[in-house]
Parts: sequence; C-alpha cells; structure tokens
Amino acid sequence: AQSVSQHNHHVILSEAASLELGCNYSYGGTVNLFWYVQYPGQHLQLLLKYFSGDPLVKGIKGFEAEFIKSKFSFNLRKPSVQWSDTAEYFCAVILYGNNRLAFGKGNQVVVIP
Amino acid sequence: NAGVTQTPKFQVLKTGQSMTLQCAQDMNHNSMYWYRQDPGMGLRLIYYSASEGTTDKGEVPNGYNVSRLNKREFSLRLESAAPSQTSVYFCASSERGYNEQFFGPGTRLTVL
Repeated sequence: AQSVSQHNHHVILSEAASLELGCNYSYGGTVNLFWYVQYPGQHLQLLLKYFSGDPLVKGIKGFEAEFIKSKFSFNLRKPSVQWSDTAEYFCAVILYGNNRLAFGKGNQVVVIP
Repeated sequence: NAGVTQTPKFQVLKTGQSMTLQCAQDMNHNSMYWYRQDPGMGLRLIYYSASEGTTDKGEVPNGYNVSRLNKREFSLRLESAAPSQTSVYFCASSERGYNEQFFGPGTRLTVL
C-alpha cells in the first residue's frame, strides 16, 4: 500500500534552534511532493512543493526541503526557528496521474521562546 | 478571491441525524476533495472529484456521500451521523489532480 511516513510526531525546540522533519514515502513512480503547515486553529497552507528540477526546494518563511530520490525522502529544514513556527507540519505525496494526495500523520512542532 | 469556503464552521449533531457540508471554490479548479482530520491520524481522503461530473471514493468513504453540483461546488453528506464521525472536515481544490491543493477553513463536527 502507498504510504507516507513522518517520524518524531512531537518536537519541542527553543527559538533559534534548527529544525529538520523527516518524510519518507513508498511510491515507486514519479511523484509530486509537498509540505503543508497548519497553524493553531487554522487550515492547511502550502509551505513548499517539488515537481521536478533542483531537488533543493525553497519555500515560504525560510523553510527548505530536499528531495532524495534514492532514499524516497523529502525532508523539511529551517536553520533557525521562531516562536511563530509553532504549528503542525504535514508531508504529502501524490503519484503522478493518481489524483489522490496521501498525507503523513504530521509533526507537532512547539517552539519555546 | 475567497479561495475555498466551507459552511458551516461548527455543527453539533445527535446520532442518526443527517446533514450536508457545503464547499465552494472560486479558482476555477477542476478537482475537489473532502478530508477528515483526526488527532494523530493526519488527513484522510473521504471522497474526491477529479472533474465536474465525476466522483470517486477515497480512503474512508463509509457513511458519507458527495455531490459535485457544478464546477464550483462539492458537498459532503452524512446520512445518519455516528459518534465516529466526530472530526474536523476540510474541503480542498486543485487545478488538476497532481497540482497543489488549496484548503478551506474547515468544519468542526461533533456527533453526540
């Protein structure tokens, strides 16, 4: 079955610390990859996406992600987090031509001032 | 542009009652989706509509029905609500199935 795995469901950091969230998927074909963020009480917003080209993708608010095809991974990073980055982060994968976006279970990130 | 809108924002039902969740998008997108979000489960796809006039089951379709009324609107119906359907429901749309999806603000549903 197709699946998306996110590890370390709960992450607690201090401001200025670096953040890395892992995402692995089990699809064998061409994929489009996404990271979404959900701030407390809000709906999901797109942080960044990868369709093709440079595997290092830069998104909003200083986030970036790296697609490593050989590892079926799309890890999210931010060098220095802020309190306002407190949110839940979801990795999502769609198999090209499938029309069904599969989500990981999310990472709850809390940044302590 | 309002993007994706959903009504209502909150709803409380008794077991066995029915209701329809409404979703509309003004981005001229072809594909629309309904998800439910439960703690620790991420988002799970209930139904989707790849284009006007088509609907397909997602991961958790039991107990739900959908209608793609036109290109803009995609409704989700609970015919006989059960406590297991207590959740937050999100509607989303995308230009095509493999593009990024844009999400509505959600409906928080409680079934007693």
